Amino acid sequence: KQEVTQIPAALSVPEGENLVLNCSFTDSAIYNLQWFRQDPGKGLTSLLLIQSSQREQTSGRLNASLDKSSGRSTLYIAASQPGDSATYLCAVRPGTGGFKTIFGAGTRLFVKA
Amino acid sequence: ETGVTQSPTHLIKTRGQQVTLRCSSQSGHNTVSWYQQALGQGPQFIFQYYREEENGRGNFPPRFSGLQFPNYSSELNVNALELDDSALYLCAGLKQGYNYGYTFGSGTRLTVV
Repeated sequence: KQEVTQIPAALSVPEGENLVLNCSFTDSAIYNLQWFRQDPGKGLTSLLLIQSSQREQTSGRLNASLDKSSGRSTLYIAASQPGDSATYLCAVRPGTGGFKTIFGAGTRLFVKA
Repeated sequence: ETGVTQSPTHLIKTRGQQVTLRCSSQSGHNTVSWYQQALGQGPQFIFQYYREEENGRGNFPPRFSGLQFPNYSSELNVNALELDDSALYLCAGLKQGYNYGYTFGSGTRLTVV
């Protein structure tokens, strides 16, 4: 049974810091991994999608890496800004068939001005 | 505009009542999934529909049911509402193909009193 864990649960950093959010999963047989951003009470906005054959994806100040063998993904945010304050969710889609995507509980990020 | 629209945005129901939540997905999203997100937790998979048939279900009782229509819209129906059903309900569309991830709507906040 796939389980997804995100560490830390919450993070508070001063503006301008580079930071790393961690996601771990128990079953390495994945189809892809997706990072989302969620503002309070809102839906999910897709940030980056990494296919199982890929090692990393980049979009602007965001970089996500994937290490299937160790069951880990990291989301790197460069030069953090107050507008980055949100909850970041990691989601794993299984590679064994079906579309049941498993989410972590998220990391709540607060960037102080 | 994400390509997935949910209605209503907020809803208050009384315990024991029935509710229907709606989702409109753009053309090409032939798979639609529904998720329940309790406060402070990651989304939990309810079920998914592909070509108007349910083809995956999470650990939710039968009083959670759904429909998908030929125009890519879908519904989530919940009967005999319980207080614990209070949550954010998210609809996600998925295009067929290797390079696509989920596109989520903004969600419906359901409060059961």
